[in-house]
Parts: sequence; structure tokens; C-alpha cells
Amino acid sequence: DQQVKQNSPSLSVQEGRISILNCDYTNSMFDYFLWYKKYPAEGPTFLISISSIKDKNEDGRFTVFLNKSAKHLSLHIVPSQPGDSAVYFCAALNSGNTPLVFGKGTRLSVIA
Amino acid sequence: NAGVMQNPRHLVRRRGQEARLRCSPMKGHSHVYWYRQLPEEGLKFMVYLQKENIIDESGMPKERFSAEFPKEGPSILRIQQVVRGDSAAYFCASSPSGLAGGLQYFGPGTRLTVT
Repeated sequence: DQQVKQNSPSLSVQEGRISILNCDYTNSMFDYFLWYKKYPAEGPTFLISISSIKDKNEDGRFTVFLNKSAKHLSLHIVPSQPGDSAVYFCAALNSGNTPLVFGKGTRLSVIA
Repeated sequence: NAGVMQNPRHLVRRRGQEARLRCSPMKGHSHVYWYRQLPEEGLKFMVYLQKENIIDESGMPKERFSAEFPKEGPSILRIQQVVRGDSAAYFCASSPSGLAGGLQYFGPGTRLTVT
């Protein structure tokens, strides 16, 4: 069973516009959420995270929103740049139980 | 400060052979995690180790797979008698702390192909 779901396998956005990547989770014990970005033939690199005590975290062009009641989080990238083209993984964990649980990823293509 | 190192980057094995994947964590990190990514899938946790100890191996197949993280040297993920279904990208991550929020830094992965 997929505890972390990214229902959009791919997304295309024009350069300069907003990219919105979505993630849903089923395990109410998850209390920390992360977004990783992955280029081909490389390992995932950390992008941004959010604790369940917050509903928003911002870092430059990247903002993550958390809606605990809906068990939903989203990553906003604005403005989108061609270098943002990559696969984005949503991940979650439960404090004290460290393995990350990943979604299947969303491939973002930013078109110039 | 070098990142997480994995070698080899690519490994080809015939069915029935053994595969040994190595991971050197970032300097100062004593926690290592192994994940496997099958084609078109997300990363799936396999095992979590601290120096000389296996902390959580709940994601590891019961047979043919083993992992170690000795006092000296890299962490090793060992797959005996490989089968075609073992073909995947294997990623290692390390962190300075095993607690939540202890960010995991990933290596570039080893792509195992079983022919």
C-alpha cells in the first residue's frame, strides 16, 4: 500500500510561471515531510521540509504547504526555471522511526 | 567536505552471482540508510545501520540480502545469487543523527543490472 502518493507522474510548466507539485499521505503518524529533487543518474538532493506543527515553509522560490486535516502537501516553485526540470519526490517520516517513505515522484519539465 | 560516495556506479552481474555495493558516508555521519529504486517507482527503504549495528532492517528481503557498516571502512550491501528482479538503482544516504529532522544526504547510487 502506498503511504505517500504523488498522483501526477509528470507536469509541464512554462518558464516564469508557477509549478505546483502535490503529495498525499495516508499515515496520520507522519509528522515530518520533505521534498527531494533528483536529476538523472544522480542521487536525490534535499530541497525543503516542513514539520507537522507548521502549515507553511518558504525558502527562496520554493514554498511547501501542509494541510494536515486533508493529509495533503504541495510544493510551489515560483518563478519556475528550466534548471528546475527534474523528478521531485515527496517523502514523509514519523519521529523516532527514521526511514523515509517516498512517493513515486513527479517529473517536472520547465519549458523555456 | 565530500558528499556520500557510492561505488561502483554501475554494476553488471549474471544471474546467480554476488553483488557488493559500497557506501562511504559523509564525514562525521555515523548513520547509514540503504534504499532501492525500481524503474518508475519511488525509493523504498531497505535497512538502517549505525556503526557496527543494524538498527532497522524491516525493508530488507529476508533472503540473499545483507548489510553491514563496520567500525572501519564503508557500509556494504551484499546481494547473493542475484536474480533479474534485483536490477534497480540502490541509493545510500547518511545522516549525523538518526532522529527525525536529521536530514539524510544521498549518494549518486549504484545501478545494478542483472543479465
